[in-house]
Amino acid sequence: SQQGEEDPQALSIQEGENATMNCSYKTSINNLQWYRQNSGRGLVHLILIRSNEREKHSGRLRVTLDTSKKSSSLLITASRAADTASYFCAPALIYAGGTSYGKLTFGQGTILTVHP
Amino acid sequence: DGGITQSPKYLFRKEGQNVTLSCEQNLNHDAMYWYRQDPGQGLRLIYYSQIVNDFQKGDIAEGYSVSREKKESFPLTVTSAQKNPTAFYLCASSMNGAGGLHKETQYFGPGTRLLVL
Repeated sequence: SQQGEEDPQALSIQEGENATMNCSYKTSINNLQWYRQNSGRGLVHLILIRSNEREKHSGRLRVTLDTSKKSSSLLITASRAADTASYFCAPALIYAGGTSYGKLTFGQGTILTVHP
Repeated sequence: DGGITQSPKYLFRKEGQNVTLSCEQNLNHDAMYWYRQDPGQGLRLIYYSQIVNDFQKGDIAEGYSVSREKKESFPLTVTSAQKNPTAFYLCASSMNGAGGLHKETQYFGPGTRLLVL
């Protein structure tokens, strides 16, 4: 079952603007990860935030996590045309025994288009 | 795409035929995964393996089979029982056990696109 749900489904912005994508999930998580996929390619890991963390930064990326609302957001600042891609959140759900067994659940993704 | 290779890049299947997709990794990862991605959709887990000679069904295992005889290799067979096999197939791997902070980060291959003739 797909637990991660991204919003919006598509986002179109101009270069230099910020892009914000949101993710919601339904059950307890061990961590939540964000991945990027260029058209027709494999996924690339961007950032991982643990359930006991609230915010994390990596270069132009900022991820927040609100476990009480079961939601996360990915902010890309000063977007570039090269940021054009699909972005997926992937919650690592907690299973019996408190582990996630490495299983991730992916949503449908947000298609980001950055116009030069 | 890291140290994971998938072959072939494109694969054509005839009616009633079994086809096997290859996935090899040189990252010394214990865990490996197979996902299916349909157009405009997210990834759905087909099978995963936490260790050699062991694997578990994911959310959409029907019509697929796997083996894990070597740590480096996790081939996926799309059987004739899979009536709608056209999709983009992605293989991934991750560290397992006490691998550190990012042990659950998955590293993906470039994918195989399967088409039905």
